[in-house]
Amino acid sequence: SYVLTQPPSVSVAPGQTATITCGGNNIGSESVHWYQQKPGQAPVLVVYDDSNRPAGIPERFSGSDSGNTATLTVSRVEAGDEADYYCQVWDSSSDHWVFGGGTKLTVL
Amino acid sequence: EVQLLESGGGLAQPGGSLRLSCAASGFTFSTYGMSWVRQAPGKGLEWVSTIGDSGGSTYYADSVKGRFTISRDTSNNTLYLQMNSLRAEDTAVYFCAKRRQNIVGSPYDSWGQGTLVTVSS
Repeated sequence: SYVLTQPPSVSVAPGQTATITCGGNNIGSESVHWYQQKPGQAPVLVVYDDSNRPAGIPERFSGSDSGNTATLTVSRVEAGDEADYYCQVWDSSSDHWVFGGGTKLTVL
Repeated sequence: EVQLLESGGGLAQPGGSLRLSCAASGFTFSTYGMSWVRQAPGKGLEWVSTIGDSGGSTYYADSVKGRFTISRDTSNNTLYLQMNSLRAEDTAVYFCAKRRQNIVGSPYDSWGQGTLVTVSS
């Protein structure tokens, strides 16, 4: 089965850039989606199809995908960006959705 | 505005059953695939099951296949998850979620607030 690997945690100072990675076998050939989840809340889609933002998501959130790594970049990080972030891929070989283990973004 | 409201969670004994419901509004329910996703306490997201817009296509995670059944009723805009043979490891908050587009592989752009299922004797 397809496996997505994320670092457990990333820390960044306010105003700096946070980079959250999602590793998977040839993930560059897949469509990768990213969710933000704050404590006690439902997840929110922040990037879909590698690099697209849903309406209402700030331009500070961007995504890329190449080779074996997909990346979510949060620019000019704010305190309100502190959350867990999950990558997601549809594994068409098994007809299963796969989530990464999640990355906790801490704003110092 | 899209709204998804889960219900039916609670305490169940190992080996028992529960049926979760998700009442949908604010969109044409019959034209979107829907999913259930769960999150065990302090853990990450785990996909559980997906159903196509017509109900003709269903998909299950290996961990629940043969025990859980997803279904939908377009007459009352409701998504269901029948959970049988419950195990302690099924303890989680269960979210229902709507596809962004009616395409297999389209992500979820709307989520409910979740309903807690606790399996314990």
